[in-house]
Amino acid sequence: AQSVTQLDSHVSVSEGTPVLLRCNYSSSYSPSLFWYVQHPNKGLQLLLKYTSAATLVKGINGFEAEFKKSETSFHLTKPSAHMSDAAEYFCVLSGGSYIPTFGRGTSLIVHP
Amino acid sequence: EAQVTQNPRYLITVTGKKLTVTCSQNMNHEYMSWYRQDPGLGLRQIYYSMNVEVTDKGDVPEGYKVSRKEKRNFPLILESPSPNQTSLYFCASNRRENTEAFFGQGTRLTVV
Repeated sequence: AQSVTQLDSHVSVSEGTPVLLRCNYSSSYSPSLFWYVQHPNKGLQLLLKYTSAATLVKGINGFEAEFKKSETSFHLTKPSAHMSDAAEYFCVLSGGSYIPTFGRGTSLIVHP
Repeated sequence: EAQVTQNPRYLITVTGKKLTVTCSQNMNHEYMSWYRQDPGLGLRQIYYSMNVEVTDKGDVPEGYKVSRKEKRNFPLILESPSPNQTSLYFCASNRRENTEAFFGQGTRLTVV
Protein backbone atom coordinates (compact mmCIF):
# COMPACT_ATOMS: atom_id res chain seq x y z
CA ALA A 1 0.00 0.00 0.00
CA GLN A 2 1.18 3.52 -0.68
CA SER A 3 0.78 6.50 1.60
CA VAL A 4 1.42 10.22 1.83
CA THR A 5 2.04 12.13 5.02
CA GLN A 6 1.96 15.89 5.13
CA LEU A 7 3.78 16.58 8.35
CA ASP A 8 2.09 19.88 9.22
CA SER A 9 -1.62 20.60 9.10
CA HIS A 10 -0.92 24.35 9.38
CA VAL A 11 2.14 26.46 8.59
CA SER A 12 2.28 30.13 9.48
CA VAL A 13 4.86 32.52 7.99
CA SER A 14 5.36 36.23 7.59
CA GLU A 15 5.26 37.81 4.16
CA GLY A 16 8.74 37.82 2.63
CA THR A 17 10.04 34.85 4.65
CA PRO A 18 10.72 31.36 3.29
CA VAL A 19 8.06 28.69 3.02
CA LEU A 20 8.59 24.98 3.73
CA LEU A 21 5.73 22.49 3.42
CA ARG A 22 6.77 18.94 4.20
CA CYS A 23 5.63 15.75 2.50
CA ASN A 24 6.83 12.18 3.06
CA TYR A 25 5.67 9.26 0.99
CA SER A 26 5.75 5.49 0.97
CA SER A 27 5.51 3.47 -2.22
CA SER A 28 6.70 0.14 -3.56
CA TYR A 29 6.80 1.56 -7.08
CA SER A 30 8.63 4.38 -8.78
CA PRO A 31 6.46 7.27 -7.69
CA SER A 32 5.05 10.23 -9.51
CA LEU A 33 4.59 13.06 -7.03
CA PHE A 34 2.57 16.23 -7.35
CA TRP A 35 1.86 19.35 -5.35
CA TYR A 36 -1.50 21.06 -5.84
CA VAL A 37 -2.77 24.32 -4.40
CA GLN A 38 -6.37 25.09 -3.49
CA HIS A 39 -7.43 28.67 -2.91
CA PRO A 40 -10.69 29.26 -1.00
CA ASN A 41 -13.78 28.22 -2.96
CA LYS A 42 -11.66 27.05 -5.88
CA GLY A 43 -10.66 23.78 -7.44
CA LEU A 44 -7.15 22.36 -7.17
CA GLN A 45 -4.40 23.67 -9.42
CA LEU A 46 -1.13 21.92 -10.20
CA LEU A 47 1.96 23.64 -8.76
CA LEU A 48 4.59 21.14 -9.89
CA LYS A 49 5.23 17.46 -10.55
CA TYR A 50 8.03 14.92 -10.29
CA THR A 51 8.00 12.04 -12.76
CA SER A 52 11.50 10.51 -12.50
CA ALA A 53 13.36 13.19 -14.42
CA ALA A 54 15.26 15.93 -12.54
CA THR A 55 15.02 15.61 -8.76
CA LEU A 56 14.72 19.37 -8.27
CA VAL A 57 11.45 20.46 -9.79
CA LYS A 58 10.44 24.04 -10.42
CA GLY A 59 6.81 25.01 -10.51
CA ILE A 60 4.62 28.02 -10.89
CA ASN A 61 4.67 31.15 -8.72
CA GLY A 62 8.25 30.57 -7.52
CA PHE A 63 7.63 27.23 -5.83
CA GLU A 64 9.99 24.30 -6.12
CA ALA A 65 10.34 20.84 -4.61
CA GLU A 66 13.14 18.34 -4.29
CA PHE A 67 12.60 14.60 -4.62
CA LYS A 68 14.82 12.76 -2.12
CA LYS A 69 14.51 9.03 -2.55
CA SER A 70 16.74 8.19 0.42
CA GLU A 71 14.51 10.24 2.69
CA THR A 72 11.25 9.41 0.85
CA SER A 73 10.43 13.10 0.89
CA PHE A 74 9.12 15.69 -1.54
CA HIS A 75 9.09 18.97 0.38
CA LEU A 76 7.72 22.15 -1.19
CA THR A 77 9.63 25.40 -0.77
CA LYS A 78 9.47 29.02 -1.79
CA PRO A 79 12.16 31.61 -0.94
CA SER A 80 9.79 34.46 -0.12
CA ALA A 81 6.12 34.14 0.80
CA HIS A 82 3.50 36.43 -0.68
CA MET A 83 0.06 37.15 0.74
CA SER A 84 -1.47 35.49 -2.32
CA ASP A 85 0.22 32.20 -1.37
CA ALA A 86 -2.21 31.72 1.51
CA ALA A 87 -4.09 28.54 0.56
CA GLU A 88 -4.38 24.80 1.16
CA TYR A 89 -1.61 22.65 -0.33
CA PHE A 90 -1.86 18.96 -1.17
CA CYS A 91 0.91 16.47 -1.83
CA VAL A 92 -0.23 13.63 -4.10
CA LEU A 93 1.36 10.29 -4.92
CA SER A 94 0.67 8.27 -8.07
CA GLY A 95 2.11 5.06 -9.39
CA GLY A 96 1.45 1.39 -8.88
CA SER A 97 -2.28 2.01 -8.68
CA TYR A 98 -5.01 3.69 -10.66
CA ILE A 99 -6.01 5.57 -7.53
CA PRO A 100 -3.81 8.51 -6.50
CA THR A 101 -3.12 9.02 -2.82
CA PHE A 102 -3.69 12.49 -1.41
CA GLY A 103 -2.12 13.90 1.71
CA ARG A 104 -4.50 15.51 4.17
CA GLY A 105 -3.38 18.99 3.23
CA THR A 106 -1.38 21.82 4.77
CA SER A 107 -2.96 25.18 5.32
CA LEU A 108 -0.46 27.98 4.64
CA ILE A 109 -1.14 31.19 6.55
CA VAL A 110 0.77 34.31 5.52
CA HIS A 111 0.93 37.25 7.91
CA PRO A 112 1.59 40.80 6.69
CA GLU B 1 -9.74 26.95 -23.01
CA ALA B 2 -8.96 23.55 -21.49
CA GLN B 3 -11.30 22.96 -18.61
CA VAL B 4 -13.37 20.61 -16.51
CA THR B 5 -16.90 21.84 -15.90
CA GLN B 6 -19.09 20.67 -13.04
CA ASN B 7 -22.70 21.51 -12.42
CA PRO B 8 -24.25 22.58 -10.21
CA ARG B 9 -21.78 24.48 -8.02
CA TYR B 10 -24.10 24.41 -5.02
CA LEU B 11 -26.91 21.99 -4.22
CA ILE B 12 -29.14 21.52 -1.21
CA THR B 13 -31.37 18.46 -1.28
CA VAL B 14 -33.36 16.22 1.02
CA THR B 15 -32.56 12.72 2.15
CA GLY B 16 -33.52 10.10 -0.43
CA LYS B 17 -34.08 12.38 -3.40
CA LYS B 18 -31.99 11.17 -6.33
CA LEU B 19 -29.55 13.65 -7.80
CA THR B 20 -26.92 13.86 -10.50
CA VAL B 21 -23.84 16.06 -10.62
CA THR B 22 -22.54 16.50 -14.14
CA CYS B 23 -18.91 16.69 -15.21
CA SER B 24 -17.56 17.44 -18.65
CA GLN B 25 -14.01 17.89 -19.98
CA ASN B 26 -12.88 19.29 -23.32
CA MET B 27 -9.32 17.90 -23.39
CA ASN B 28 -10.07 14.44 -24.81
CA HIS B 29 -8.67 12.90 -21.63
CA GLU B 30 -8.99 9.18 -21.07
CA TYR B 31 -9.01 9.15 -17.27
CA MET B 32 -11.71 10.83 -15.22
CA SER B 33 -12.50 10.62 -11.54
CA TRP B 34 -14.67 11.91 -8.72
CA TYR B 35 -13.47 12.96 -5.28
CA ARG B 36 -15.04 14.15 -2.10
CA GLN B 37 -13.27 16.58 0.20
CA ASP B 38 -14.01 16.65 3.90
CA PRO B 39 -12.27 18.75 6.58
CA GLY B 40 -9.10 17.09 7.86
CA LEU B 41 -9.39 14.16 5.46
CA GLY B 42 -8.04 15.66 2.24
CA LEU B 43 -9.50 14.33 -1.00
CA ARG B 44 -10.74 10.79 -1.30
CA GLN B 45 -11.51 9.18 -4.61
CA ILE B 46 -15.04 7.88 -5.12
CA TYR B 47 -14.90 6.36 -8.61
CA TYR B 48 -12.65 6.55 -11.60
CA SER B 49 -12.91 5.74 -15.28
CA MET B 50 -10.09 4.63 -17.53
CA ASN B 51 -12.10 5.20 -20.70
CA VAL B 52 -15.60 4.96 -22.18
CA GLU B 53 -17.62 2.20 -20.49
CA VAL B 54 -14.71 1.40 -18.12
CA THR B 55 -15.27 2.45 -14.51
CA ASP B 56 -14.05 1.20 -11.16
CA LYS B 57 -14.39 1.93 -7.47
CA GLY B 58 -12.11 4.30 -5.66
CA ASP B 59 -11.60 4.46 -1.91
CA VAL B 60 -15.14 5.53 -0.89
CA PRO B 61 -17.67 4.31 -3.50
CA GLU B 62 -20.58 3.38 -1.20
CA GLY B 63 -23.74 5.31 -2.00
CA TYR B 64 -22.55 6.57 -5.38
CA LYS B 65 -22.87 5.52 -9.01
CA VAL B 66 -21.14 6.73 -12.16
CA SER B 67 -21.34 6.14 -15.87
CA ARG B 68 -19.05 6.91 -18.82
CA LYS B 69 -21.06 6.69 -22.00
CA GLU B 70 -19.05 9.39 -23.75
CA LYS B 71 -15.40 10.25 -23.34
CA ARG B 72 -16.05 13.84 -22.29
CA ASN B 73 -18.77 13.23 -19.67
CA PHE B 74 -18.62 11.50 -16.29
CA PRO B 75 -21.71 12.15 -14.16
CA LEU B 76 -21.91 11.29 -10.48
CA ILE B 77 -25.23 9.86 -9.32
CA LEU B 78 -26.54 9.68 -5.78
CA GLU B 79 -29.55 7.37 -5.92
CA SER B 80 -30.64 7.96 -2.33
CA PRO B 81 -28.57 10.72 -0.72
CA SER B 82 -28.00 10.71 3.01
CA PRO B 83 -26.68 13.46 5.32
CA ASN B 84 -23.26 11.78 5.54
CA GLN B 85 -22.83 12.56 1.84
CA THR B 86 -22.81 16.26 2.61
CA SER B 87 -19.44 17.27 1.24
CA LEU B 88 -17.48 19.18 -1.39
CA TYR B 89 -17.18 17.15 -4.58
CA PHE B 90 -14.59 17.50 -7.33
CA CYS B 91 -14.42 15.99 -10.76
CA ALA B 92 -11.01 15.63 -12.39
CA SER B 93 -9.61 14.47 -15.69
CA ASN B 94 -6.13 13.23 -16.65
CA ARG B 95 -4.63 12.52 -20.03
CA ARG B 96 -4.12 9.06 -18.59
CA GLU B 97 -3.65 7.62 -15.11
CA ASN B 98 -0.69 8.91 -13.07
CA THR B 99 -0.45 12.18 -15.01
CA GLU B 100 -1.45 15.68 -13.98
CA ALA B 101 -5.08 16.04 -12.93
CA PHE B 102 -7.27 18.94 -14.04
CA PHE B 103 -9.97 19.70 -11.51
CA GLY B 104 -13.39 21.21 -11.82
CA GLN B 105 -14.47 24.08 -9.58
CA GLY B 106 -16.28 21.81 -7.16
CA THR B 107 -19.87 21.12 -6.13
CA ARG B 108 -20.88 21.82 -2.56
CA LEU B 109 -23.64 19.37 -1.68
CA THR B 110 -25.77 19.58 1.44
CA VAL B 111 -28.18 16.76 2.24
CA VAL B 112 -30.74 17.58 4.94
